[in-house]
Amino acid sequence: GAGVSQSPRYKVAKRGQDVALRCDPISGHVSLFWYQQALGQGPEFLTYFQNEAQLDKSGLPSDRFFAERPEGSVSTLKIQRTQQEDSAVYLCASSLSSAIEKLFFGSGTQLSVL
Amino acid sequence: SQKIEQNSEALNIQEGKTATLTCNYTNYSPAYLQWYRQDPGRGPVFLLLIRENEKEKRKERLKVTFDTTLKQSLFHITASQPADSATYLCALGTGGFKTIFGAGTRLFVKA
Repeated sequence: GAGVSQSPRYKVAKRGQDVALRCDPISGHVSLFWYQQALGQGPEFLTYFQNEAQLDKSGLPSDRFFAERPEGSVSTLKIQRTQQEDSAVYLCASSLSSAIEKLFFGSGTQLSVL
Repeated sequence: SQKIEQNSEALNIQEGKTATLTCNYTNYSPAYLQWYRQDPGRGPVFLLLIRENEKEKRKERLKVTFDTTLKQSLFHITASQPADSATYLCALGTGGFKTIFGAGTRLFVKA
């Protein structure tokens, strides 16, 4: 596609529900990132994939967060047993190569946990 | 501790003037520094990258400086327009996988 696509655009979940957020990166991009952005703050790194390999997951806040990219293209960020503090915008970004210098971001998924 | 600081208050300027945004960092040794623009409800959009061995980079009405001694980058928009109104994010590349973002500065350009 022309850009990074994320779905859903908005997600409302009841506390304790599981959610799955999808990211379609730019075709052919090797690197894929997930970031979390709270209101009025900059994006915070969650995890990084190079093709299908998850090379860094140091930013995932707890073991309730899980990400995968099984075929090296589409990625899913899953949050189990959502909590109110998980409410944020989740941004996906991709980069052409493993030399990560320019990130292309999607518009994000705004997650609200009630 | 490691920190990236950008002007926390919004910057209001008149159309046609030059906007100058500041990014300061501590306890990082970035290989490069980037600036992104973010509009409400959208993801950040890449604008410019400057490397540690470069002092200045220009692109159209944009200019970025990078002083590794002061640990500071300045981002200038000349001949500003209302369409330049957005949040501008500074981001550090440390040579690893992570790009570390500042909280951003909101710019308002009045006609």
